[in-house]
Amino acid sequence: GDSVTQMEGPVTLSEEAFLTINCTYTATGYPSLFWYVQYPGEGLQLLLKATKADDKGSNKGFEATYRKETTSFHLEKGSVQVSDSAVYFCAQGGSEKLVFGKGTKLTVNP
Amino acid sequence: DAGVIQSPRHEVTEMGQEVTLRCKPISGHDYLFWYRQTMMRGLELLIYFNNNVPIDDSGMPEDRFSAKMPNASFSTLKIQPSEPRDSAVYFCASSLQQYRNQPQHFGDGTRLSIL
Repeated sequence: GDSVTQMEGPVTLSEEAFLTINCTYTATGYPSLFWYVQYPGEGLQLLLKATKADDKGSNKGFEATYRKETTSFHLEKGSVQVSDSAVYFCAQGGSEKLVFGKGTKLTVNP
Repeated sequence: DAGVIQSPRHEVTEMGQEVTLRCKPISGHDYLFWYRQTMMRGLELLIYFNNNVPIDDSGMPEDRFSAKMPNASFSTLKIQPSEPRDSAVYFCASSLQQYRNQPQHFGDGTRLSIL
């Protein structure tokens, strides 16, 4: 079946560091791809999405590009802040349900 | 706009008791999902509905778990009898036309502790 693999955490960075969280998917066809963020004590929130190859999703300084040739959707941010500390989930669509990765916990220290 | 609303936010009860979790999806959404999140297993899809009809309940762990959606604006997840291993955060999510690759919108969850 379809699956999403994202880098295992936890990831610890200093404020203003560059962030990359890798994500690869296995679905055939052209699923939509998503990044969700979960802050402590809250539900998952949609961070960004891309619906077709070469699309770039962006929000709050985060970006991810839909790469069909490498089946990847890596999340990047040029300068992280303490407030970005959260768990990040990559997910793919394409059917009646989303397939989520296991999540990557990010901690940003001042 | 109001998001997905779950109640209660926290529930602590003794094993053997019946537990009912409630969810109000976003108005107009035609899909509703129930998830469970634990440290050990991560995020698991339990069941989902389309237009109030259960479509896939293969993630429901045992017969002790049941879910209903009597109308488009309300769903329940019930555990009877509850056990300590059911302790987790339960999330409800809704979406519009999920088959069109639409995102899901999550509630803030119910943190369930079974003593």
